[in-house]
Amino acid sequence: AQSVTQLDSHVSVSEGTPVLLRCNYSSSYSPSLFWYVQHPNKGLQLLLKYTSAATLVKGINGFEAEFKKSETSFHLTKPSAHMSDAAEYFCVVSYTGRRALTFGSGTRLQVQP
Amino acid sequence: DSGVTQTPKHLITATGQRVTLRCSPRSGDLSVYWYQQSLDQGLQFLIQYYNGEERAKGNILERFSAQQFPDLHSELNLSSLELGDSALYFCASSVGLAGGDANTGELFFGEGSRLTVL
Repeated sequence: AQSVTQLDSHVSVSEGTPVLLRCNYSSSYSPSLFWYVQHPNKGLQLLLKYTSAATLVKGINGFEAEFKKSETSFHLTKPSAHMSDAAEYFCVVSYTGRRALTFGSGTRLQVQP
Repeated sequence: DSGVTQTPKHLITATGQRVTLRCSPRSGDLSVYWYQQSLDQGLQFLIQYYNGEERAKGNILERFSAQQFPDLHSELNLSSLELGDSALYFCASSVGLAGGDANTGELFFGEGSRLTVL
């Protein structure tokens, strides 16, 4: 069975400081992993995805994530937070097959001025 | 703009009623997914259709049903509505079967239909 755990439901950072959103997955197979972002009153948008190529994945808006198989982690980072980064972030796992994606419970990122 | 269109954006109805939510996928996408997002349950996968056929089922109640039409648009029917059905319902689309092809794992989400049951 596949599952994904987001370790923090809320993260608050100051503008200009680094962002770390943590995600651990469990999967019986080699997973595909994604981070999606949801701004208030909007649909979800793909930030980045890992599909067994490079372990360090760069996404949009300066975000990146590193796939660490030994730790079964796929943490999302950004060197410097911007006010516009305030949103909810979802870590997502899928595997080759017919099942739809499995979403984590989400992490709400707050950016303080 | 993701290219996925959902209607209506907002819907208020009473318990016991029935509603239909509509989704038009991105041009060329064959898969349509329905998700329910609520404060207590988070984002829950309901059901997936691929080219008119049901392909995966998640936590969808028996009171709910969906279908995908030949023009690939989809409808989610919610009946005998209860207060707990109040949620944001998202439709998403993708070219293929999510996970079936690493290059098509991305889903494109609509902006959702907010259902309020009073």
